[in-house]
Amino acid sequence: DAGVIQSPRHEVTEMGQEVTLRCKPISGHDYLFWYRQTMMRGLELLIYFNNNVPIDDSGMPEDRFSAKMPNASFSTLKIQPSEPRDSAVYFCASSLSGDNEQFFGPGTRLTVL
Amino acid sequence: KQEVTQIPAALSVPEGENLVLNCSFTDSAIYNLQWFRQDPGKGLTSLLLIQSSQREQTSGRLNASLDKSSGRSTLYIAASQPGDSATYLCAVRRGGATNKLIFGTGTLLAVQP
Repeated sequence: DAGVIQSPRHEVTEMGQEVTLRCKPISGHDYLFWYRQTMMRGLELLIYFNNNVPIDDSGMPEDRFSAKMPNASFSTLKIQPSEPRDSAVYFCASSLSGDNEQFFGPGTRLTVL
Repeated sequence: KQEVTQIPAALSVPEGENLVLNCSFTDSAIYNLQWFRQDPGKGLTSLLLIQSSQREQTSGRLNASLDKSSGRSTLYIAASQPGDSATYLCAVRRGGATNKLIFGTGTLLAVQP
């Protein structure tokens, strides 16, 4: 298996622009997680899905952030409009069940100018 | 609120030394604990997962222990190698229905050749 796939790996955009991050989980995994990592706050869970349904989005910072999972093999995290403070590394992870290890993708490094 | 602390924040050791990384959590009602390593600019790699009913897990030169009652976990690395240099993160999954992982701030390990 190729593992969790994320795209793009790097994104540089200007304040106010829309940003879409993409994730393909490991085939067969029922859970998908979106995390954000910054120097100040470390790794934080933004939202997670079970069987394509959002279960807990309490970590989503603002209404500017939204996430979807239209099918079992694809998820997006959208920021609209983006702000400089959104600059971070965004990770996607998946797991076979809620009890199992989470496997992380390589991350998307987002820079908002 | 669950808080996860890792001490030390950074550690430098000569090659061949055995070492221990520490992880503390404030709420002992956890479901499991997971240790990860993160290489610079990369995603997280799962190392070991310990269920709350277990006391330790081993994988190669790595041994992780869990003492729920005292809110502590340790990661023991035997015969350290320069390739072990990375940031090591612990994460606890809370009990109950949630599948959220709460991450520690990490320990940056440098193994000197």
